Amino acid sequence: ETGVTQTPRHLVMGMTNKKSLKCEQHLGHNAMYWYKQSAKKPLELMFVYSLEERVENNSVPSRFSPECPNSSHLFLHLHTLQPEDSALYLCASSHGLGEETQYFGPGTRLLVL
Amino acid sequence: AQTVTQSQPEMSVQEAETVTLSCTYDTSESDYYLFWYKQPPSRQMILVIRQEAYKQQNATENRFSVNFQKAAKSFSLKISDSQLGDAAMYFCAYNSNSGYALNFGKGTSLLVTP
Repeated sequence: ETGVTQTPRHLVMGMTNKKSLKCEQHLGHNAMYWYKQSAKKPLELMFVYSLEERVENNSVPSRFSPECPNSSHLFLHLHTLQPEDSALYLCASSHGLGEETQYFGPGTRLLVL
Repeated sequence: AQTVTQSQPEMSVQEAETVTLSCTYDTSESDYYLFWYKQPPSRQMILVIRQEAYKQQNATENRFSVNFQKAAKSFSLKISDSQLGDAAMYFCAYNSNSGYALNFGKGTSLLVTP
C-alpha cells in the first residue's frame, strides 16, 4: 500500500462509451501524474499536475481528458477510445516535481473492445 | 532527451543467490536522480531504491544495493540473498531536477527459482 489508490482496477469499454478513471492520494503530495503502460513499451507519461495546474501534456490524443479538482484527486476521462488504447493506466504522486520520488497506485487495466 | 536502457529482458536467479540487473542512461544534465522500481504480477509499481547523482556513495536498502558509475552512466541493481518474492519486473528510471516525468527503461523480468 503506497498511499495512492485507483478505481476501478479493471475496466472494459466499447469504443463509443464514456468512462472515468479515478486516482486518490493520501500522502499530502502536491503533484500527480498519469502514465500509460502498454505491452512491450516503456511507461509513457501522459499528464502532470502540480498544485492542481496542468504542467505537462505529452501529446496525448484529446479522447483522454484529465481533471484535477484538488491536490488529492486526479481523474482521467475517456471517450471514443480505440482498441490500441487498451493498457494499464498508472497514477502517481510526489511531494513536488523534479527530483521528488513518485509513488504509484495499483493501476487500472483498461480493455477497449 | 534522456534515454534509459535495460539490456537484459529476462534474468534468472536461484533462491539465496545474488543477481545484478543492468541499466545505462544517456543525459547531458549534471543534476539528476535514478530509481529502481519493482512491478510484481499485481502490477503495483513499488520503489526499490533511489540514487542522487551528486552523491558518490552507492545507495543501499537492505538486500538491495546499486553500483552507480556516473562517468559511465551506469546504474546497476544488485539483489543479495534472493527470495521468491523478489520475482517481478524491474524498471530503471531517470528524472532530472528540472524535469517532470520519470523516464523508464523497458524493464527486466526477474525469475527466482527454488
